[in-house]
Amino acid sequence: QSALTQPRSVSGSPGQSVTISCTGTSSDVGGYDYVSWYQQYPGKAPKLIIYDVTKRPSGVSDRFSGSKSGNTASLIISGLQADDEAHYYCCSYARSYTYVFGTGTEVSVL
Amino acid sequence: EVQLVESGGGLVQPGGSLRLSCAVSGFTFNNFAMSWVRQAPEKGLEWVTSITTRGDGTYYAASVKGRFTIFRDNSKDTLFLQMNNVRVEDTAIYYCASHSSGFPFWGQGTLVAVSS
Repeated sequence: QSALTQPRSVSGSPGQSVTISCTGTSSDVGGYDYVSWYQQYPGKAPKLIIYDVTKRPSGVSDRFSGSKSGNTASLIISGLQADDEAHYYCCSYARSYTYVFGTGTEVSVL
Repeated sequence: EVQLVESGGGLVQPGGSLRLSCAVSGFTFNNFAMSWVRQAPEKGLEWVTSITTRGDGTYYAASVKGRFTIFRDNSKDTLFLQMNNVRVEDTAIYYCASHSSGFPFWGQGTLVAVSS
């Protein structure tokens, strides 16, 4: 199972919006509505910020939103803030009770 | 407060064995499937294995199938990962994570280093 493809890095100015793409295949992203997104700071454990493509866990800012079209899922961070600087990973169910993560994207706030 | 605390990591030689543990508190352990996710140094996340609530179903990434075994003790709220015939490429931080819609709860991770 190959890792889902994410851009290596994205950047934006405070207040702007950025979008992180996550491209897979019809056997993972495109085949199921079970895409989740994680935020990870250096040296820390990942944190779930989006699940089931569009849903936010309690306590997660509504500046984070998710969507999916075909084999590509997207995470949108609106109103970019300094503490959004982190790595972001997508993850998808990939049949037979297996999962695959994305390659990861570093978000920089200019 | 939800807590997942991994232990058992360390330095192991190629071909050796190691058992990781993950002690859980703050949520009803036997209501959740559980997983191990690893992260090699300066690399991304990799799903390794998952286990059903009762332990009657286990699933593995191709990279570890046949070498790693996940199991759980619901009476002790503890998850385990038995790692056999380890390889240099198994070097990583190993996280345990609860598993429902996504992976909502994570431990702090335990480092496994495979080297001669």
